[in-house]
This record gives sequence, C-alpha cells and structure tokens, in this order.
Amino acid sequence: GQNIDQPTEMTATEGAIVQINCTYQTSGFNGLFWYQQHAGEAPTFLSYNVLDGLEEKGRFSSFLSRSKGYSYLLLKELQMKDSASYLCAAMDSNYQLIWGAGTKLIIKP
Amino acid sequence: SQTIHQWPATLVQPVGSPLSLECTVEGTSNPNLYWYRQAAGRGLQLLFYSVGIGQISSEVPQNLSASRPQDRQFILSSKKLLLSDSGFYLCAWSVSENREQFFGPGTRLTVL
Repeated sequence: GQNIDQPTEMTATEGAIVQINCTYQTSGFNGLFWYQQHAGEAPTFLSYNVLDGLEEKGRFSSFLSRSKGYSYLLLKELQMKDSASYLCAAMDSNYQLIWGAGTKLIIKP
Repeated sequence: SQTIHQWPATLVQPVGSPLSLECTVEGTSNPNLYWYRQAAGRGLQLLFYSVGIGQISSEVPQNLSASRPQDRQFILSSKKLLLSDSGFYLCAWSVSENREQFFGPGTRLTVL
C-alpha cells in the first residue's frame, strides 16, 4: 500500500532550528511536496523535490533521499508565525498526491 | 497572477439535503482541477480531479459527484448529504499533473 509517515506534533523555540521528517512508500515516485497549513486555512505550497539533495528557499529548506524514501523540511530562525501544520505529500506513478496527516509545529517564545 | 475562489466559506446543512460547492480559477487556461476533503487529524483525501471540460475522474466511491461545465469552473455536488460528509472541502488547481497544486480557501461543511 501507499503510506506517508510524519510526526504528529513538534515543539520548538523562537529563533531556533527545527527539522520535520517524512518517510514515504508509493507506487512509483514523481516528487515530494511540502505544504504549510495554518489552523482553519487552506494549505500553501512550500517546496518540491524530485532529485536527491537539498533545496533551499530562504529560511526553509527541503531534503530528499529517494533511495531511503525519506524527506525533511528544515525551518531556520523560527518565528511565531511559523506555528502551523506542515504537510508532506508524495506523488505516485499516476501523478496522484499521497498525503501525510501533517505535523503540528508549536513555537514557544 | 492566478487566483482560485471557493464558496461558500462555511455551510451547515441537514442530513438528506442537497449540496453544491463551486470553485473557479482565474488567470490560467486549461488547469488541472481537484476536489479534496480534509477530516480533522487526517491527510487530504482526493475526491475528484479533472484534466479538462467534462472530464472527471473519481477516486473514492461515495454519494458525491463533480462536474466541470467550463474550463475554469469545478462543482462538487450531492443529492443527499450524510453525516459522514462533514469536513473541510478544498479545491485546487495545477498547471499540469506533475506540478504543485494551489488551493482555494476551502469550505467548512457541517452536516447535522
């Protein structure tokens, strides 16, 4: 079957760095996506990885290892507004997104 | 720039009543369109997707249906709502099937 695993909840301190891990099992693979979702709002696109390695975009970076079925989202210089859920989604061979349940990130002052 | 609209934002409906949710996209042509449902604490569940006018693919058998009467309009419907239809309904679009999807603001549906 197809599956995405990510931690349910994480806590970090303002100004610090946090890494949110995601492992996936899909039938075929066409990329790994990360989205941010604030409570009560729609998800917003953060990053896309299809090749192994690190993609950096400002304070956010995303890493992919296809051989390990593993990705992480790295958030630096955490701000209170980064408190949100972070959704990991893998695209299978039919170009369908398989979604994780999301990681709720709590930022403390 | 592209924008995506959904309405209504919230909806409370009795069991057995009909449903119609509408989604429109501006600023792009021939987008791929998607309907998702998100239940609390769960991942997004793909309900329908469309690659063109009149072309609808269903991912989950249920009492919902979708239609695409115009290039940038996507409608989610039901003839009789069930309690289990409650949830956060999200419409999304993408340039092509292998690209990132962009979501509308969502409709929070409560069936009583």
